[in-house]
Amino acid sequence: AIQLTQSPSSLSASVGDRVTITCRASQGISSALVWYQQKPGKAPKLLISDASSLKSGIPSRFSGSGSGPEFTLTISSLQPEDFATYYCQQFNSYPLTFGGGTKVEIK
Amino acid sequence: EVQLVESGGGLVQPGGSLRLSCVASGFTLSDHYIDWVRQSPGKGLEWVGRTRNKLNNYRAEYAASVKGRFTFSSDDSKNSLYLQMNSLKTEDTAVYYCASVVSSGNYYNYWGQGALVTVSS
Repeated sequence: AIQLTQSPSSLSASVGDRVTITCRASQGISSALVWYQQKPGKAPKLLISDASSLKSGIPSRFSGSGSGPEFTLTISSLQPEDFATYYCQQFNSYPLTFGGGTKVEIK
Repeated sequence: EVQLVESGGGLVQPGGSLRLSCVASGFTLSDHYIDWVRQSPGKGLEWVGRTRNKLNNYRAEYAASVKGRFTFSSDDSKNSLYLQMNSLKTEDTAVYYCASVVSSGNYYNYWGQGALVTVSS
């Protein structure tokens, strides 16, 4: 199975900070990577598909890059509503796998 | 409005069985691939498996952790999919989500609200 290693597992940041989260794949996954945001008690919310395609309705401060094995999610200017947990997931091959998550907390 | 709604969660003893339902509104479930994803309390997300669409004979894929114990089925007349969970273990305790896969196959376009399954004696 393809392992996705997310780093860091948690971070503390202030409103307005630039935040970068990394997802490293153990094997090639082309660009079949998505990023989600999850808040407590809610289903994950899709932010980015195909490694860098911003989904409709998602603020432009979110961006994704990379083409394997390392991918990044960047929040250019952290807003209060962005404090949440972020996950990557690969859709390249079965079993589909998720990264371990990155919890973004208020400093 | 497109919606997926899970139901059937609850408390079950280790070794027991439970069946979750995923009912769709606003679209035809049998036209889509549907995945199940779970999240143990305070933990990350884990892919449970996939049911392909009717065109692909509902062929399934399962995660190694549930293979042989979990089974997917469907009822087109009820626009529903089911996750039959047998030989449940305490580590199966989680919120279970069903999610529809977009036609290109590379992300989920809709998620359910989740159903909590607790395996405990």
